Amino acid sequence: KAGVTQTPRYLIKTRGQQVTLSCSPISGHRSVSWYQQTPGQGLQFLFEYFSETQRNKGNFPGRFSGRQFSNSRSEMNVSTLELGDSALYLCASSLAQGRKETQYFGPGTRLLVL
Amino acid sequence: TQLLEQSPQFLSIQEGENLTVYCNSSSVFSSLQWYRQEPGEGPVLLVTVVTGGEVKKLKRLTFQFGDARKDSSLHITAAQPGDTGLYLCAVGYSSASKIIFGSGTRLSIRP
Repeated sequence: KAGVTQTPRYLIKTRGQQVTLSCSPISGHRSVSWYQQTPGQGLQFLFEYFSETQRNKGNFPGRFSGRQFSNSRSEMNVSTLELGDSALYLCASSLAQGRKETQYFGPGTRLLVL
Repeated sequence: TQLLEQSPQFLSIQEGENLTVYCNSSSVFSSLQWYRQEPGEGPVLLVTVVTGGEVKKLKRLTFQFGDARKDSSLHITAAQPGDTGLYLCAVGYSSASKIIFGSGTRLSIRP
């Protein structure tokens, strides 16, 4: 069974631009969560999607948004990029929603904002 | 203030040595997870501990959940270079799939 895939793996953007990251969950998984990982703040929860609906949201500005499609694939968008948005963005999928569900992480997309 | 404090932040030891890393909180949790993240990869779940005082073993790794369910430790026996990575403790959040991670311990094993 293929794992969680994320595209692209690396991305370089400049301040003010916007970016869209993609995540394909493990086949059959319906919950997709996004996390931001930085050296200073560690791993922080961005949001979770289940059945095409955002179920939970972390403490991030509205520039960060996402969506989930009917095939459970998810995209994350960051508008008006800032230098501080440089980070590793991780996607995780699980069969269903809930803390007892094991989450499987993808390799991440490393975003550099110049 | 971090919900989960991990110590030490960095640890570099010789192959064959033993080590322990800690995860502490002032909150009580119903369960706690440990992940390992290798460079260029996402975190991989190693174990979930549920009961206070519980001890789980995974080959050379021993995980313990504190009696009061506020802290946990990970002990590695006879460390090997393959153990190198970032070790993260984490807790689930209510009924959501949200995971709250600790600050992490970056472990380096010298051959």
